[in-house]
Order: sequence, then C-alpha cells, then structure tokens
Amino acid sequence: GAVVSQHPSWVICKSGTSVKIECRSLDFQATTMFWYRQFPKQSLMLMATSNEGSKATYEQGVEKDKFLINHASLTLSTLTVTSAHPEDSSFYICSASQDRNSPLHFGNGTRLTVT
Amino acid sequence: AQTVTQSQPEMSVQEAETVTLSCTYDTSESDYYLFWYKQPPSRQMILVIRQEAYKQQNATENRFSVNFQKAAKSFSLKISDSQLGDAAMYFCAYRSAWGAQKLVFGQGTRLTINP
Repeated sequence: GAVVSQHPSWVICKSGTSVKIECRSLDFQATTMFWYRQFPKQSLMLMATSNEGSKATYEQGVEKDKFLINHASLTLSTLTVTSAHPEDSSFYICSASQDRNSPLHFGNGTRLTVT
Repeated sequence: AQTVTQSQPEMSVQEAETVTLSCTYDTSESDYYLFWYKQPPSRQMILVIRQEAYKQQNATENRFSVNFQKAAKSFSLKISDSQLGDAAMYFCAYRSAWGAQKLVFGQGTRLTINP
C-alpha cells in the first residue's frame, strides 16, 4: 500500500530558530501534498497545499513567510517553520495520494516543541 | 465552503457491543468522497472506511460500516463487536471529487471501549 514517511517524528528547538520537516511518498509519486496542524485534543486543520514545481497554496490565516513549503520533486515536500516561537509548538502532519481517486495517506506526524 | 460536524465529543461502549458515531456535512457539490479516519494515541491517521457520494450502497469494511444518507447529508459510522483496540479519536472527513483534493475534517469523537 501507499506509504508516506515524515521526518523527524519529534523535534525540540529554541525560540527564534528554524525547523524543517520532510514528507516523502515512498512508493508513489505525489504532485500534491497537504500539510496539517493539530493542537492537543483538537482536529486537523489544513495549513497549505503543496504543489510540485509551483508555489504552495496557503489557507486563510496561515503566514506563508513563516511556514515555508517547498515541493521540489514528486516524492518530497518540506515544511520549514521559520523563527519559531512557543506558540508554534504543535503536531504537524503531512498527507498525499497517488491520484484523485485514491484516498489520502498520512505521515506519522512531527511533534514540534519550541522552548 | 464545505463543513463537517461531529456532534459527539465523546462516546463510550462496552466491549463486544455496537456503537454509532455521527457525522453531518454541508456542501453544494453533488460529487464527493466521505471518510472516517481513526487516530489512536500514537497519532497516526488510519483510514477506516471510505464512501463515494455517487454510490448508494453503504460502504462496509469488516466490523465497520456506514449509513450514508446523501439527502440528509449524514454519514454515520457503526462499529460492531467493539474491541479494546478500537479506542481512539475518530474523524469524519469530506473531500471534493473535483478541484482541490484536500480533506476537511470534523471536530472528532473520542471513543472509549469499556472492558
């Protein structure tokens, strides 16, 4: 079955630094990947749609200069949290699908803690 | 914009009994997909079941089945013979058949299985 790998699974960083999270589709090509954010005991909120070879599409209220998304190949999308602050601490999950008719598969998520 | 509502923040059921989780959604589209995802404490998102809106037959996956009422915009999940491993957060999700492939999630229902 389709596998999405996300790395790292958890990261702790100091306030003001940047953190990069990788999302890879291991056995399929994904022209589109999605980045979600989940606060404790809450649902998943879409942050942005990552498009291979073009700019990401950000949801309303998400700062594109703070959450940089790069989708340089058909199997890799990265999310960089720039100048991280404690309020950026959250669980970040990526997802991708092989095609429009296939369900979305999720990475294992990244727990980010900013101190 | 599409919205998904899960009105039951928490549900509990005795082991081996049956439980139904509710989900309603709002959309003006006629063609779409509906999903139930399970999120155990590991926070991995696991696809439980999927329903295509154009199919009248309710989807079934072993002990999991749905009651899809398109006119009422209702999509409930029935878990039969509940097992301890079914304990998790359950999210109902909507996805357009055309345009953006992003998932829109409900608020989630925390399911507890009592031994």
